[in-house]
Amino acid sequence: KQEVTQIPAALSVPEGENLVLNCSFTDSAIYNLQWFRQDPGKGLTSLLLIQSSQREQTSGRLNASLDKSSGRSTLYIAASQPGDSATYLCAVKGSNYQLIWGAGTKLIIKP
Amino acid sequence: KAGVTQTPRYLIKTRGQQVTLSCSPISGHRSVSWYQQTPGQGLQFLFEYFSETQRNKGNFPGRFSGRQFSNSRSEMNVSTLELGDSALYLCASSLDGTSGGAREGDEQFFGPGTRLTVL
Repeated sequence: KQEVTQIPAALSVPEGENLVLNCSFTDSAIYNLQWFRQDPGKGLTSLLLIQSSQREQTSGRLNASLDKSSGRSTLYIAASQPGDSATYLCAVKGSNYQLIWGAGTKLIIKP
Repeated sequence: KAGVTQTPRYLIKTRGQQVTLSCSPISGHRSVSWYQQTPGQGLQFLFEYFSETQRNKGNFPGRFSGRQFSNSRSEMNVSTLELGDSALYLCASSLDGTSGGAREGDEQFFGPGTRLTVL
């Protein structure tokens, strides 16, 4: 059974710092991995999608990597800003086509 | 292009009642998935509809059901509401073209959710 873990559960850093969020999964048989952000009480915004054949994806200040063999993905945020404060979730799509979710990392960027 | 829309945004019901939630996918998207988000269990997959057929189902009781219409709009119904059904219900749509490879690689786009409170 696929399990997805996100570490840390919460992170608080000063504005301007670069930071890394981690996502690990137990079954490497995945089709893709998606990173999302969720603002309090809101829906999910897709940030990056990495297909199983890819190693990384970039969008602006965000870079996500995928190491399927070790069951790990990282989301790198460069030059963090207060507007980056949100909960970040990763989800993997496995062989049953269902998205399995991590519990999220709550990120606070202090001005 | 408009995003995924969900109605209503907020609902308050009492135990034993039933509720219907609606989701309109992004234009051209054919797959609609539903998720439940609670503080205790996090995000959990409910079911997925494609071409008016339930294609995938999570581990929820039969009180949770859904359907999809010919225009890809989807509804989710919960009967005999319980306190534990209080949650944010999220709908996601994806393109899922006719080719076999599309479903594996599809990106999901989410609506703002419906916040259901059961009293």
